[in-house]
Amino acid sequence: EVQLVESGGGLVLPGGSLRLSCAASGFTFSSYFMHWVRQAPGKGLVWVSRIHADGSDTTYADSVKGRFTISRDNAKNTLDLQMTSLRAEDTAVYYCVVLGTSPPAWGQGTLVTVSS
Amino acid sequence: DIVMTQSPLSLPVIPGESASISCRSSRSLLNSNGYNSLFWYLQKPGQSPQLLIYLGSNRASGVPDRFSGSGSGSDFTLKISRVEAEDVGVYYCMQTLQTPITFGQGTRLEIK
Repeated sequence: EVQLVESGGGLVLPGGSLRLSCAASGFTFSSYFMHWVRQAPGKGLVWVSRIHADGSDTTYADSVKGRFTISRDNAKNTLDLQMTSLRAEDTAVYYCVVLGTSPPAWGQGTLVTVSS
Repeated sequence: DIVMTQSPLSLPVIPGESASISCRSSRSLLNSNGYNSLFWYLQKPGQSPQLLIYLGSNRASGVPDRFSGSGSGSDFTLKISRVEAEDVGVYYCMQTLQTPITFGQGTRLEIK
């Protein structure tokens, strides 16, 4: 069974940094693109970033470009999201997602709150 | 970016009746393999989204046959027959044809 478990969320000051992690199991992690999707409180789902299976290529939403960095360690089956220059509007539950597996899978999410 | 438009945004339903949600995309979601890159999810309160339908019309494992997906190209429908109380939540369509992956605004189904 595909499992994705996020960690690293918490309360951070505006302008601060936070690193999210996602531990993957139950599938060949190194074979799939991985994504981060977020959901602000009471709002809809918004795609944030994706990374190629081998880590060679990354893509970001315009709203986080230059501030967030996605990375992966295929030896450890982990996906990370380094977030810097955080803003109040980055407050959200962040989900780790894999779409290429059958079925696609989402983690349970980790809450990031940016507030003073 | 591909824009996904859902309607209605709010859907009050009497238990036992059927309900339909429309999802339209700003361009065709038909991929090079002939499949529609369109997924339907249900997000129940406090939970992560759960997959209902993949590639436009294929029901995910464990999903009741009351749920069905139809459509092709840029016009899709999720139908729920015989709505039950456990179907309450927000339904999202999602396209994976191209990055950025985009979602509909969500349709909130409530029981009358």
